[in-house]
This record gives sequence, C-alpha cells and structure tokens, in this order.
Amino acid sequence: AQSVTQLDSHVSVSEGTPVLLRCNYSSSYSPSLFWYVQHPNKGLQLLLKYTSAATLVKGINGFEAEFKKSETSFHLTKPSAHMSDAAEYFCVVSDPQGAQKLVFGQGTRLTINP
Amino acid sequence: DAGVIQSPRHEVTEMGQEVTLRCKPISGHDYLFWYRQTMMRGLELLIYFNNNVPIDDSGMPEDRFSAKMPNASFSTLKIQPSEPRDSAVYFCASSLGYLEQFFGPGTRLTVL
Repeated sequence: AQSVTQLDSHVSVSEGTPVLLRCNYSSSYSPSLFWYVQHPNKGLQLLLKYTSAATLVKGINGFEAEFKKSETSFHLTKPSAHMSDAAEYFCVVSDPQGAQKLVFGQGTRLTINP
Repeated sequence: DAGVIQSPRHEVTEMGQEVTLRCKPISGHDYLFWYRQTMMRGLELLIYFNNNVPIDDSGMPEDRFSAKMPNASFSTLKIQPSEPRDSAVYFCASSLGYLEQFFGPGTRLTVL
C-alpha cells in the first residue's frame, strides 16, 4: 500500500530564511506525488506535482520539490519564507490501484516568525 | 468559475439527527470526492464518483454514511443518525480526469 510520512509535524522559520518540509514515501510502483497547502479555515490548494517527468518540480509561490527515488523522498523547499506561507502543508501520494485515490500525510504546520 | 461549492459551511446538530452536506463540483469535471478531516486521523477519502457513478466507497466509515450524485453538478453526503464522533471538517473535491483535484472550502460539522 502507498503511504507518506511527513517527518515534522511543525516547522518554524524566520521570514526571509529557507523553508524545508520533509516527506518520505512508500510505494511499490512509480508514484505520483503532490504537495498541497491548506491555509486556516480554507480548502486545500495544489502547490506542485511529480508525475515521472523532471525530478525537480517547480510549483506556485516559489516552492519546489525534488523527487529522489534512492531516498524515497519528496521534500518541499522555498529559498525565502514569506509571512503568507504560514499554513498546513500535506505531502500526498496517488494510489496506483485507483489513480485518483490520494493518500495524505499527516501534515506539517509551517509557522513564519517576523 | 466559482470553484467547488459546499453548503452549509458550518453545521451544528444534536446526536441522532440527520445531517446532509452538499457539494457542487466545477462544471465539466468528471470526478467528485468526499473527504473527512479530523485532528486524530488527518484527511481521509470517504468515497469518490466518476461520471456520477460511485467507484470506491471503502472509506465510508459505516452504514450511517451514504453519498449520492444524482447528476453531474450535485452531490450529497448524508449521515443518519449522527454521532459526536462524526464531528469533523468534510471536504468535497472535483477533478477532470487524472488531473489536479480542486477542493471546496469544507463544511465544519459539530455533533453535540
């Protein structure tokens, strides 16, 4: 079965410093991987997705993620944090049995300090 | 497009009452999903439809939960009877094929 593990439940960084949100996945197949963001009291929004093309994926708002098969990782990064980045971030893998079935990680809450 | 629309945004009810959550997907999308989000269990897929047909309902917790999609522009998730442990945020999402899922703002359900 597909699964994802987000290694940090909470990350706190200062505005203007780099962001690193870590995600490891488990999959018997070539997975599709996603990062979604959820702002307080809002629905989820897709940041970026990996679907077996380029291993470095660029998303919205300056975020990017690198697929590393050897490490089974898909970490999310941003060079410089902005106050508006404060939110919950979810690493997600698709289930090959039903490609539209998404399996969500537990989430990482990102706090930005002024 | 207005995006995925869910109603109501908030629902407070008493244990034993019937609760109906509603969703209007993005026009033209052929997949519709219902998710539940709780602190303890995170985000869980309850059921999803393709072209109005339920494809996988293995995430529906028990028989008290039912979902319908009578047409391409409307779906309901019903809980009858409701219990306090059903308190959660319920999200509806839609997509066009195997593309990005667009989420609605959610319905926050509180069962007293």
